[in-house]
Amino acid sequence: AQKITQTQPGMFVQEKEAVTLDCTYDTSDQSYGLFWYKQPSSGEMIFLIYQGSYDEQNATEGRYSLNFQKARKSANLVISASQLGDSAMYFCAMREARWNQGGKLIFGQGTELSVKP
Amino acid sequence: DVKVTQSSRYLVKRTGEKVFLECVQDMDHENMFWYRQDPGLGLRLIYFSYDVKMKEKGDIPEGYSVSREKKERFSLILESASTNQTSMYLCASLLRTEASQPQHFGDGTRLSIL
Repeated sequence: AQKITQTQPGMFVQEKEAVTLDCTYDTSDQSYGLFWYKQPSSGEMIFLIYQGSYDEQNATEGRYSLNFQKARKSANLVISASQLGDSAMYFCAMREARWNQGGKLIFGQGTELSVKP
Repeated sequence: DVKVTQSSRYLVKRTGEKVFLECVQDMDHENMFWYRQDPGLGLRLIYFSYDVKMKEKGDIPEGYSVSREKKERFSLILESASTNQTSMYLCASLLRTEASQPQHFGDGTRLSIL
């Protein structure tokens, strides 16, 4: 069965420093996608970045990058130059590429990031 | 931009009531989802739908039902609300084209059952 594990319930980072949020996954499929979402205290889920299992390069979106290590089944999110507005809950999620599963996501437990001024 | 609108941000209901949570998306997405979010458990899928009048159970469907009479609207129904259904409920929609397409979420409904 698919599973996503985020082992860091909470993390602190100093403003302007980089931070890595861990995510490991378990699947028997060869084709899958990994997503990271940000959830501020207001509650909305904001899509940050996507990595496909066959993508050869690590995904990047602005200050966000994904450290994808397929053999280790890890997909860690790296936020560079942290800002106070980065304080939020972060979720890692996985989706099988087969559409007959409806495109549903399996989520990790989340990591709460606090950025200190 | 995709807009997913949930009818209420906060809702307080009583045990035993029938509760309706409404979700509307404006981008003609085929798939829609209802999740429940609880601290330490992440988001868990309750039900999803891949077409009008079609529905599939997710991981925790007990105590819930859904309705999708029109493509843009997906309703979650608590048949007889109980206190253990106090939670944050999130609706999402998905354009079923490429694997890289993200789900788009509404702002969530914080539901309290007293």
